[in-house]
Amino acid sequence: DAGITQSPRHKVTETGTPVTLRCHQTENHRYMYWYRQDPGHGLRLIHYSYGVKDTDKGEVSDGYSVSRSKTEDFLLTLESATSSQTSVYFCAISESRTSGGTYEQYFGPGTRLTVT
Amino acid sequence: TQLLEQSPQFLSIQEGENLTVYCNSSSVFSSLQWYRQEPGEGPVLLVTVVTGGEVKKLKRLTFQFGDARKDSSLHITAAQPGDTGLYLCAGAGVGTASKLTFGTGTRLQVTL
Repeated sequence: DAGITQSPRHKVTETGTPVTLRCHQTENHRYMYWYRQDPGHGLRLIHYSYGVKDTDKGEVSDGYSVSRSKTEDFLLTLESATSSQTSVYFCAISESRTSGGTYEQYFGPGTRLTVT
Repeated sequence: TQLLEQSPQFLSIQEGENLTVYCNSSSVFSSLQWYRQEPGEGPVLLVTVVTGGEVKKLKRLTFQFGDARKDSSLHITAAQPGDTGLYLCAGAGVGTASKLTFGTGTRLQVTL
């Protein structure tokens, strides 16, 4: 299994508070991603990183920010949590394969966040 | 925005039956991946298909990439309870291979 951990695994927080989720990898992969998973929507990309301090927005980035100061860590911050951000959050990592240029993603175990 | 539609959304079958899951889009993908996710865990990669018309087999699972690289299918032969889970297809756009677009998933339940 790819070495990916997420913390915390579960969190309950109140509306309006800031929340930071951490993703840590031991694989030295260049790319890291944050997704949210909601019933009926599958996995939706929030933000991703293609290197240290290099990040870009995904399709559902409003209300979220990210930082990557080291190769191994990718942080997701909910600046002011809302009930609509109640979800399961997954971190993923990938690296280009030498043949075909495909980027196979490996996922962490997820963080279940509840905003009350 | 590229969209991937999976069908069916839910499938409940008995052990030993065959099934096919479809993943369709109007967009062309440079590659397509299939993942399986079990409750409380992250998705796990099953296979990557790259070439139009490509067929890959993983034990009782057969994956096919459409000739035009816009669609894919997953066929399971003689399903077993251990096949139960959420199956997700994910496409990499042409020129944006590092980003995947995920389908909404097919939830499969295999009972004895």
